[in-house]
Amino acid sequence: AQKITQTQPGMFVQEKEAVTLDCTYDTSDPSYGLFWYKQPSSGEMIFLIYQGSYDQQNATEGRYSLNFQKARKSANLVISASQLGDSATYFCAMAAGTSYGKLTFGQGTILTVHP
Amino acid sequence: DGGITQSPKYLFRKEGQNVTLSCEQNLNHDAMYWYRQDPGQGLRLIYYSQIVNDFQKGDIAEGYSVSREKKESFPLTVTSAQKNPTAFYLCASSIGGHEQFFGPGTRLTVL
Repeated sequence: AQKITQTQPGMFVQEKEAVTLDCTYDTSDPSYGLFWYKQPSSGEMIFLIYQGSYDQQNATEGRYSLNFQKARKSANLVISASQLGDSATYFCAMAAGTSYGKLTFGQGTILTVHP
Repeated sequence: DGGITQSPKYLFRKEGQNVTLSCEQNLNHDAMYWYRQDPGQGLRLIYYSQIVNDFQKGDIAEGYSVSREKKESFPLTVTSAQKNPTAFYLCASSIGGHEQFFGPGTRLTVL
């Protein structure tokens, strides 16, 4: 069984600063993928970034980067130069092994960006 | 524009009634998924389908049913057997194990 843990229920960051959202995972499958999604107050889930278990380099997408530490089973999301529009709930998710495609989600972290 | 549509946006149901939530995609994705989200929680998988005319139960399938007669459509029926159906329901689609794209969701309230 797969498990995702997000230990930060809420985070605050000043506009233009960087912030790190924590995510740890647990799986016995050697092949897995890690995803981060953003959920604004409207409710829609927006895909941000993906990291495969065999990827040698950390994934980056614009202001988003994923700090992937395989030995520690962590996949933290780093948002650089925070913007007011980044205020939302962020979810870490994983798909693994033969169930690839089925996502297991964490509880989410509510990020608030202050001006 | 390609995307996923869900209807209705808000749905109210009386206890004992079955209701069907619509999910349509024009992304030509083979796989489709239904998730449930309760307040302050992550998403939990109800059902998923990797190909037309085939679907599998997710982690919380009891009280729900689905069909996949067309590639573009994956409706979810919330039956009267679902004891606590008030929640936010999200539909998603994907190509294989790649990232899933989500619809805008349906908020179901049982009166």
